[in-house]
Amino acid sequence: EVQLVESGGGLVQPGGSLRLSCAASGFTFSTYWMHWVRQAPGKGLVWVSRINTDGVSTTYADSVKGRFTVSRDNARNTLFLQMNSLRAEDTAVYFCARVGAGTFAIDYWGQGTLVTVSS
Amino acid sequence: SYELTQPPSVSVSPGQTGSITCSGDKLGDKFACWYQQKPGQSPVMVIYQDNKRPSGIPERFSGSNSGNTATLTISETQAMDEADYYCQAWDSSTAVFGGGTKLTVL
Repeated sequence: EVQLVESGGGLVQPGGSLRLSCAASGFTFSTYWMHWVRQAPGKGLVWVSRINTDGVSTTYADSVKGRFTVSRDNARNTLFLQMNSLRAEDTAVYFCARVGAGTFAIDYWGQGTLVTVSS
Repeated sequence: SYELTQPPSVSVSPGQTGSITCSGDKLGDKFACWYQQKPGQSPVMVIYQDNKRPSGIPERFSGSNSGNTATLTISETQAMDEADYYCQAWDSSTAVFGGGTKLTVL
């Protein structure tokens, strides 16, 4: 069974940092591109970042470029999102997501981890 | 940047057919997919590659995509289908989501 389990969320002050993790199981993690998607309270889904299979190629939404860094450890089946210079508008539930092979769609989502940026 | 536009809300009576549209420039040239999200839950893929249903998704869910508009259609709508629905497409290697549509079954 495919599972994606996020952790690392919490309350952080503006300007602070946080590192999210996503533990993957039930599939060959190293062969899938992975994404982060966030959802502010009461709002819609917003794509944040993606990383290719070997971690060499990454892409970011303009709103987080230069502040967030996505990475992965294929030996530990784990995806990361390092978030620096956090702002109030970064407050959201952050989902780890897998794009299914040949589907061009996100076929599995984690349960999400809440990040709250507030003083 | 690429944008997808959905109506904020759609209402449908139980047993009837409801449709949710998603508009974007030349969207028909891209693959569109749809996600269902119920309160407090993670999204679930209900349509991928315009009109394909994942295993476990009821046949009453169908999709189409042509020109500038993708459409999610739910036939014989049930109370359990009440949820937020999001369309999504790819712009290069970035995912673009529509703003979401709240489907009310009443």
